Amino acid sequence: ETGVTQTPRHLVMGMTNKKSLKCEQHLGHNAMYWYKQSAKKPLELMFVYNFKEQTENNSVPSRFSPECPNSSHLFLHLHTLQPEDSALYLCASSQEDRKNYGYTFGSGTRLTVV
Amino acid sequence: QKEVEQNSGPLSVPEGAIASLNCTYSDRGSQSFFWYRQYSGKSPELIMSIYSNGDKEDGRFTAQLNKASQYVSLLIRDSQPSDSATYLCCNHRGGGADGLTFGKGTHLIIQP
Repeated sequence: ETGVTQTPRHLVMGMTNKKSLKCEQHLGHNAMYWYKQSAKKPLELMFVYNFKEQTENNSVPSRFSPECPNSSHLFLHLHTLQPEDSALYLCASSQEDRKNYGYTFGSGTRLTVV
Repeated sequence: QKEVEQNSGPLSVPEGAIASLNCTYSDRGSQSFFWYRQYSGKSPELIMSIYSNGDKEDGRFTAQLNKASQYVSLLIRDSQPSDSATYLCCNHRGGGADGLTFGKGTHLIIQP
């Protein structure tokens, strides 16, 4: 496995369900991120984990709950979502002690809330 | 509020011509600037990074940065149909606590 892998690729869930998105990076990076991409909107930063510590939460509703057990794994736990939460959820990683702060993105999870 | 502005397009360019993509940003504290390419249904892919005023060339791509004008651009020479995609401009303050701030992207179409 190389790069950043996300599972599942597609997810359909009801508003009362609980599910989790998983992200794993194989690049030795020390920072990981969750982004939300909706149609006709810029990518929205949701959470930042730097050296396993959450350093940013951009006013994301509590129905989204991140978890970062180590520097290679990141989860996004979902519960009681709304239809407007349907979007592409992208995980990314980077090495924050290098000048190049470019991120490597995973393939994303296409989430549909019904 | 940190914002990155891009013309959403579509921008239509004939094959073999130069495609010019533009971006402005509001955060004067931005240190790093990036262009990502995103094909439909795929994740963003980093194609260029630039940190200093001036031009940076990599193959058919040239990124241009003007911090005084808060302006970033991407030139694609000898455009190919495979360059058809959405191009995302973004910037970064340089600290570990901040993520990248993205524009909405410009949809580029290269006409054969």
